[in-house]
Parts: sequence; structure tokens; C-alpha cells
Amino acid sequence: GEDVEQSLFLSVREGDSSVINCTYTDSSSTYLYWYKQEPGAGLQLLTYIFSNMDMKQDQRLTVLLNKKDKHLSLRIADTQTGDSAIYFCAESRSNQAGTALIFGKGTTLSVSS
Amino acid sequence: SAVISQKPSRDICQRGTSLTIQCQVDSQVTMMFWYRQQPGQSLTLIATANQGSEATYESGFVIDKFPISRPNLTFSTLTVSNMSPEDSSIYLCSVPRAGTGELFFGEGSRLTVL
Repeated sequence: GEDVEQSLFLSVREGDSSVINCTYTDSSSTYLYWYKQEPGAGLQLLTYIFSNMDMKQDQRLTVLLNKKDKHLSLRIADTQTGDSAIYFCAESRSNQAGTALIFGKGTTLSVSS
Repeated sequence: SAVISQKPSRDICQRGTSLTIQCQVDSQVTMMFWYRQQPGQSLTLIATANQGSEATYESGFVIDKFPISRPNLTFSTLTVSNMSPEDSSIYLCSVPRAGTGELFFGEGSRLTVL
């Protein structure tokens, strides 16, 4: 398909790990991104990964990339209630005008204490 | 990082009217993007606005409905024409970072069409 796919909801307990999965479509994407949107707020870039890497770690965040399967995941270690938000996966896609980001529908992460 | 200001931040509009959203960036950028985020939905790319050329629209979006201006390297406008309740959405302006391509977003303009 042509869409970036994500599961819609994830519910975890505080202190557990969260894993949010994404399937993208454009194998030529140079970078892949994770954005976070808290309720009523704008989008905030969490992290990104270069397409020639298969893993990137940044404090509590670990991004895994499987280019063969076009699968991207975001792992949040020691999930906190402040991590409750919508997480968007995005791929870069080029057309005649330039390179834009195409977003998945977002995964709502709910963290209970 | 780029600082992006959008106006208005929110508005309530009547069906059939048009509204122009302004986007100001604190640095010169070649490419600007306009996205829409409908309630409970993801971001959908409306068009790419490059200075000095006509905007390039994504499938499902047309210039008559969403005319875009890009008069210089720091400013763009998006007009939502002949609005209907289905146009109620947050409209976001964004610019890319050179190199990584990550997008910086404005705070968005929340339009409610009655």
C-alpha cells in the first residue's frame, strides 16, 4: 500500500517498556522519523534514524530499523506517565517539488500508574 | 532550529467564507510545506510551496480550494476557500532542516467551520 501504517493504541504500566511499530512504504527514504504530540500541543521531533543504520539509541529511546521489511520501531524504556501522547512515524518521500514527510496515523500511548 | 509563527492561531468561520493563514519563518528557506490535521487524524500533506514557482499539490488537493502564495523566502500563505464543516482542521506550516530533512512545525491554525 501507499500508507505509513501504525497500530492505533498501546497501553502500558508505568515503568514498563513501550514498543511502537510502524511499516513504511518508500524504500528510498533517507531518514525515518518519530514525532510526539501531546494533547493540545504541536508536533515535536523525538528522534530520527538514517536509513543505513539499523539501530539508534538516545537515552530511553531505541529505534530499530529493518529495511528489508520496511519496519521501524520505537522502544521507550521505563515508560512514565509523561510519555502519554500520540506517536507518529514518518518517512521522507521525494517528488518533483522536493522531499516532504509522510506521516502514519499515529499510535496513542496510554501510561497508567 | 527554525521558529515558525502562524496567524491566526484559531478561528471560527462561517460556511462559504474563505480564510487566509499566514506563516512566517525566522530564516530563509526554499521549501515550505502545508499540512492539515483533521480531528483525531494524522497529518496530511496539502502542498509544497517553493519560492519562485507555483505550489505543488498532493492528490486530493487543488489550487482553487487551497491557493498558496510564496512571495519570499520567509513567508507563505494558505487560503481555505469556500469553507465547509469538513474543512474544520488544524492547518500547519512546516520547513525542513537541511541535511536530515526533519520538519519544524508552526503551532498550527485551528479552524472551526460552522
